Amino acid sequence: EIVLTQSPATLSLSPGERATLSCGASQSVSSSYLAWYQQKPGLAPRLLIYDASSRATGIPDRFSGSGSGTDFTLTISRLEPEDFAVYYCQQYGSSITFGQGTRLEIK
Amino acid sequence: QVQLVQSGAEVKKPGSSVKVSCKASGGTFSSYAISWVRQAPGQGLEWMGGIIPIFGTANYAQKFQGRVTITADESTSTAYMELSSLRSEDTAVYYCAWGHPNWFAPWGQGTLVTVCS
Repeated sequence: EIVLTQSPATLSLSPGERATLSCGASQSVSSSYLAWYQQKPGLAPRLLIYDASSRATGIPDRFSGSGSGTDFTLTISRLEPEDFAVYYCQQYGSSITFGQGTRLEIK
Repeated sequence: QVQLVQSGAEVKKPGSSVKVSCKASGGTFSSYAISWVRQAPGQGLEWMGGIIPIFGTANYAQKFQGRVTITADESTSTAYMELSSLRSEDTAVYYCAWGHPNWFAPWGQGTLVTVCS
């Protein structure tokens, strides 16, 4: 099973700043089969990125994904108040597993 | 725009089973995947398995093999997830999600299953 480790566990930033979230895999994720989700309290997750860098329908272009192999990154170019949430990465190159999440909080 | 509506919260005793439903509207039910993901209180996400109704065969995460059954009824555009031999660690919100077999959008609203004696 591929284990995904997200860092940092918590990220404290201010609106307008740039956020960089990391997702490391215990083994190479084939074909960059990696997705990112945003989850707000009490709500279901929302798909942001699939195939490592493709934005899902309706996702603002301030969200971008990159990476390959074992290292992936979600970047939010300029934080809006509604972006503060928990973010999960998910791989689907070998079965399906999720990372443990990064909490993005307001500084 | 596909919408998924799940059944209501359940309270179950250890050793029993629970069956959660997920009704889809606004999309072509049979040709897309329905997947199930759970989230224990304060914890992360855990994929359980999925099904593409037109093919009929479900695939499951190894952890849940033998304990979970995912089915789909094309006539009512409804998918089901049944989990047996419940234990306290199965207390979680159970989500269905639609679309691609490997990434999930959109999601249902979630169903809280509480296992307690």
